[in-house]
Amino acid sequence: AQSVTQLDSHVSVSEGTPVLLRCNYSSSYSPSLFWYVQHPNKGLQLLLKYTSAATLVKGINGFEAEFKKSETSFHLTKPSAHMSDAAEYFCVVSDRDNDYKLSFGAGTTVTVRA
Amino acid sequence: DAGVIQSPRHEVTEMGQEVTLRCKPISGHNSLFWYRQTMMRGLELLIYFNNNVPIDDSGMPEDRFSAKMPNASFSTLKIQPSEPRDSAVYFCASTPGGGAGYTFGSGTRLTVV
Repeated sequence: AQSVTQLDSHVSVSEGTPVLLRCNYSSSYSPSLFWYVQHPNKGLQLLLKYTSAATLVKGINGFEAEFKKSETSFHLTKPSAHMSDAAEYFCVVSDRDNDYKLSFGAGTTVTVRA
Repeated sequence: DAGVIQSPRHEVTEMGQEVTLRCKPISGHNSLFWYRQTMMRGLELLIYFNNNVPIDDSGMPEDRFSAKMPNASFSTLKIQPSEPRDSAVYFCASTPGGGAGYTFGSGTRLTVV
């Protein structure tokens, strides 16, 4: 079975500084990985996805993530945080045999200080 | 594209009452999912439909929960009778498949008192 572990439950950054959200996955094969963002009282929005193409994936709103098989990681980064980035972020892996089954990480809450 | 549309946005009901949550997926998406989100358990898949057919309902907590998808543009999740422990945010999501990401609705926040 596949799973993801988000290494930080809460990250606080200053506006204009880089953001790093860490995610490690566990899978017996090359997985499909996603990052979703959830703003307060909203649904989840897809930021980006990795599906065995380029290892550096660019998403919306300036976010990107790098798939590193050797480290079983899929960390999410953004060079410069904006106040609107304050939200909860979920790292997600899908089951390759049953690709409808998503395993969600516990989430990382990002706060952005002015 | 209006996205995945859920109704109602908020629902407060008394224990023992029937609750029906509604979802309209994105047109052309052939897979639909119901998820439940709580602080304690995070996001849990309740049921998955493909081409209107329930494929996996192993996440439905108990017989009080039922879901239907009578056509490609509408699905319901019903809880009867409702209990306080059912209080959560219920999300509907759809996808066209093929490795595409899922589009989630804004959710229904259910409170059972």
